[in-house]
Amino acid sequence: EVQLVESGGGVVQPGGSLRLSCAVSGFTVSSNYMSWVRQAPGKGLEWASVINSDGSTYYADSVKGRFTISRDNSKNTLYLQMNSLRAEDTAVYYCVRESSSSWSKFDPWGQGTLVTVSS
Amino acid sequence: QSALTQPASVSGSPGQSITISCTGTSSDVGGYNYVSWYQQHPGKAPKLMIYDVSNRPSGVSNRFSGSKSGNTASLTISGLQAEDEGDYYCSSYTSSRSCVFGTGTKVTVL
Repeated sequence: EVQLVESGGGVVQPGGSLRLSCAVSGFTVSSNYMSWVRQAPGKGLEWASVINSDGSTYYADSVKGRFTISRDNSKNTLYLQMNSLRAEDTAVYYCVRESSSSWSKFDPWGQGTLVTVSS
Repeated sequence: QSALTQPASVSGSPGQSITISCTGTSSDVGGYNYVSWYQQHPGKAPKLMIYDVSNRPSGVSNRFSGSKSGNTASLTISGLQAEDEGDYYCSSYTSSRSCVFGTGTKVTVL
């Protein structure tokens, strides 16, 4: 069964750091394109970052220079290191698989983990 | 990258058909056949409904169909049912090797 389980969310002060994890079962993270998509409370979806199967990474302008996407092949786990957090980073963060042949095709999705940036 | 433009809300009666538009630019929707649509119910993760403009994943009802003309993509739901209520988002690949989502549309079944 394919499953993506995010963890690591919580409350952090502005300027702080947090690392999100996404444990994957049912397929191999390193053989797929994996993305993080976030959704601020009551708002729409926003793509944040992707790591391709060849290890290349890309970021939305809103998180570039502050967030780092990575993976641990031995643990079949995706990560998102978030530094210099701002109030506007408050959101549910979803881990998703992106098709390598049909870009912007995100499936499946994890259940999401909530990050709250507040003093 | 600016969000793709969708109507804030669309409504219809059971059995009717509704269409949701998704307008972008030649750098995203108009430039690639990589447009997807997602359905989201309150408190749940989004669900893929359409990919590559008009393809349906297995398990998605054939009442859902997609199309594109120029810089505007569309999602049509025919034979509207109560379970179709929710938020719908389009997404597109962009020329800057990123992805952009639409502003979202709330579908109400009257």
